[in-house]
Amino acid sequence: GAVVSQHPSWVICKSGTSVKIECRSLDFQATTMFWYRQFPKQSLMLMATSNEGSKATYEQGVEKDKFLINHASLTLSTLTVTSAHPEDSSFYICSARRGHTEAFFGQGTRLTVV
Amino acid sequence: EDQVTQSPEALRLQEGESSSLNCSYTVSGLRGLFWYRQDPGKGPEFLFTLYSAGEEKEKERLKATLTKKESFLHITAPKPEDSATYLCAVQEESGTYKYIFGTGTRLKVLA
Repeated sequence: GAVVSQHPSWVICKSGTSVKIECRSLDFQATTMFWYRQFPKQSLMLMATSNEGSKATYEQGVEKDKFLINHASLTLSTLTVTSAHPEDSSFYICSARRGHTEAFFGQGTRLTVV
Repeated sequence: EDQVTQSPEALRLQEGESSSLNCSYTVSGLRGLFWYRQDPGKGPEFLFTLYSAGEEKEKERLKATLTKKESFLHITAPKPEDSATYLCAVQEESGTYKYIFGTGTRLKVLA
């Protein structure tokens, strides 16, 4: 199976600081990577779609200046939460698509902003 | 508007009690339908991809089927370790090929 590694698994940061989350496809090249946010007992909310070497496409209502996405290579995408505030606390999950169909998920990052 | 609806929201089964989870979808063009399993505090784990009506996929106690309007995930003789949230997602045929997720079914299998 395809493996997607997300790091860190959890992070606690102070309000006003920035946090970077990494997503790597370990054994395949990802044509596209997705970033999701998930609230307790709710489904995944797509934040943005990124393709290697191009700007990310953000979903309506997602602040692109707060959630910076960089897709530097076919195996690495990063999400930076800038000037984080307590309302940004959530579970963030990345996924990487192999080819045009199947997407595989990272293990998620629990962000707590204090 | 593209939409995915899963039912029931929650399901409690006795060990060995078979059942089915439903995923109904409305999408302008279906590229694929996906089933995932998600454990608490973890990312979704890929289970199946279905592409066309009539297709079936099996893995251990799980079997996924697809029609033009819905998909079923059949669980045969479940065990407590099958307890998880099962998510269904559809992929659009055009545009960015993004996925639309349902809200999931929380399955609890009692020993």
